Amino acid sequence: ETGVTQTPRHLVMGMTNKKSLKCEQHLGHNAMYWYKQSAKKPLELMFVYNFKEQTENNSVPSRFSPECPNSSHLFLHLHTLQPEDSALYLCASSRGVGRRGGGTDTQYFGPGTRLTVL
Amino acid sequence: KQEVTQIPAALSVPEGENLVLNCSFTDSAIYNLQWFRQDPGKGLTSLLLIQSSQREQTSGRLNASLDKSSGRSTLYIAASQPGDSATYLCAVDSGGSNYKLTFGKGTLLTVNP
Repeated sequence: ETGVTQTPRHLVMGMTNKKSLKCEQHLGHNAMYWYKQSAKKPLELMFVYNFKEQTENNSVPSRFSPECPNSSHLFLHLHTLQPEDSALYLCASSRGVGRRGGGTDTQYFGPGTRLTVL
Repeated sequence: KQEVTQIPAALSVPEGENLVLNCSFTDSAIYNLQWFRQDPGKGLTSLLLIQSSQREQTSGRLNASLDKSSGRSTLYIAASQPGDSATYLCAVDSGGSNYKLTFGKGTLLTVNP
């Protein structure tokens, strides 16, 4: 257990459905991340939230809509997805410290949601 | 744009063997480099983090080295065990205000009893 939980663990949806992925961290962190892991591709960063503010959107299509209501929760709202969006979606969190002082910010990952789009 | 390559893509070894996993990156201006482990159907677990000013880090049977100038890192696993079977991912933090990691595709390691 890393202190980061994700629900659901598995999700099958049609292209016209609307669903949401949920991530919760119990580590007192201030930064949260969404990653996409597709077969035979490197892990891709999608979004970064720092102190509830979105600080990174890595050119993600608008059919993926993130929401961060507080530092402990992160959602990924899905609508009109395509079959190529099928992947493992991983959430991570970190302390969210700044670069001053040379600090590092280890990311702790959740177990992921395996999404299949039919 | 930073790119990270891991070789080999898959590796199968008998138990007890020492092995090396390789990682290369295109932009040597990195902040740090991390090695992660991913078990099937699970998230990532951080194994070792090497700062750009460091040459190596050790944790138990694992030793990671970094040669920033040549854009290379290696993960050495001593006396491998079946429980080491997993996918090993290398990730580079290139600095900037966000902790944005660039990952390689990983090496799938199988240690046979």
